[in-house]
Amino acid sequence: ETGVTQSPTHLIKTRGQQVTLRCSSQSGHNTVSWYQQALGQGPQFIFQYYREEENGRGNFPPRFSGLQFPNYSSELNVNALELDDSALYLCASRGDRAIQETQYFGPGTRLLVL
Amino acid sequence: AQKVTQAQTEISVVEKEDVTLDCVYETRDTTYYLFWYKQPPSGELVFLIRRNSFDEQNEISGRYSWNFQKSTSSFNFTITASQVVDSAVYFCALARGGAAGNKLTFGGGTRVLVKP
Repeated sequence: ETGVTQSPTHLIKTRGQQVTLRCSSQSGHNTVSWYQQALGQGPQFIFQYYREEENGRGNFPPRFSGLQFPNYSSELNVNALELDDSALYLCASRGDRAIQETQYFGPGTRLLVL
Repeated sequence: AQKVTQAQTEISVVEKEDVTLDCVYETRDTTYYLFWYKQPPSGELVFLIRRNSFDEQNEISGRYSWNFQKSTSSFNFTITASQVVDSAVYFCALARGGAAGNKLTFGGGTRVLVKP
């Protein structure tokens, strides 16, 4: 058990809709990252938040946005959903002891866009 | 730019055989970090091992061992005496050092199937 939880576990949306995915990190973990994993591929980095500020972003359009809250929870929001957004979305958290401390992942949210 | 390549897409073995997973990485950084994660069918990425670029000592942890060679930019992972529960997709990942943060760059994964 990593102590990282995500909700919902599965989600079905239609093209053009908006979706919010949630993650709860371990207590004391101030850094959270989000990854998108398409079927049969490795995870791709979306963005990272540290103490409620975005401090790193991958090659994803602005319709992917996030929020991090003081209670170690965070959200990934995706607007104007496209079919290619269908994927497993993973969040990962880490502590502050060292910038390269290991990231621990949640179980993911499987999103299907029809 | 960073890149991780896992050339083996799928490996099938019989229980108790050893399994070695290959990982080759590319980076211009002098300080970096390498990881192996396991992803069972449930989807959660499970951390297995981590190695720093400045420490090439190879170790064994239970049935897991790894071979890190900076000269060939390889970070191979071995499961000794495989078990059915080892069946999963294994990912090698690379993170930059320093203030660049620790975004993980993953390889494409290697699916391991351990048959009884």
